[in-house]
Amino acid sequence: DIQMTQSPSSLSASVGDRVTITCQASQDISNYMNWYQQKPGKAPKLLIYDASNLKTGVSSRFSGSGSGTDFTFTISSLQPEDIATYYCQQYDNLLTFGGGTKVEIK
Amino acid sequence: QLQLQESGPGLVKPSETLSLTCTVSGDSIRSSGYYWAWIRQPPGKGLEWIGTFYFSGSTYYNPSLESRVTMSVDASKNHFSLKLSSVTAADTAVYYCARSWVLDYWGQGTLVTVSS
Repeated sequence: DIQMTQSPSSLSASVGDRVTITCQASQDISNYMNWYQQKPGKAPKLLIYDASNLKTGVSSRFSGSGSGTDFTFTISSLQPEDIATYYCQQYDNLLTFGGGTKVEIK
Repeated sequence: QLQLQESGPGLVKPSETLSLTCTVSGDSIRSSGYYWAWIRQPPGKGLEWIGTFYFSGSTYYNPSLESRVTMSVDASKNHFSLKLSSVTAADTAVYYCARSWVLDYWGQGTLVTVSS
């Protein structure tokens, strides 16, 4: 099984800050990495697919990078509406989620 | 616009079988060429993949749940189903259906509580 180690598990940042979340796969997953945003009581929403592709209609302040085992998700300028939990997910070998990162406003 | 909607009992007794259906509108399960998935989320916890299937019959299950999971499809009704047997309180969760391995569309989720 492929394990996904996501960090940090939570963070607090100010509006306008750059926020970075990392995800490390236990083995090479090429670029089969996706990122999701989940707000309380709602289903997750796909933001980034295949490591670095922004889903149509998603704000360009969200971005992703990486390949192999190490991946990064970035919010370039944190906005109040970005308060949510973010998950990484690999699909190179079956499907596994990271543990999630809860983003709060300082 | 593609929409997915989960349905099924909100309360299941321990040791019984949980059964849920995901109805798809705006696309055809039979002809879309996409895979379809089930994911769950225990209250206050993270996401857990349950399984993914293709209309032709290919199925892929989470190894930790494989012995208890069955996924099936009814193309005439454009819906697919999940059965999870021998449930315990640990299976209490919001259950989601979604499209593809990239999970680009999700249902709203349905809470299933396992309790006597």
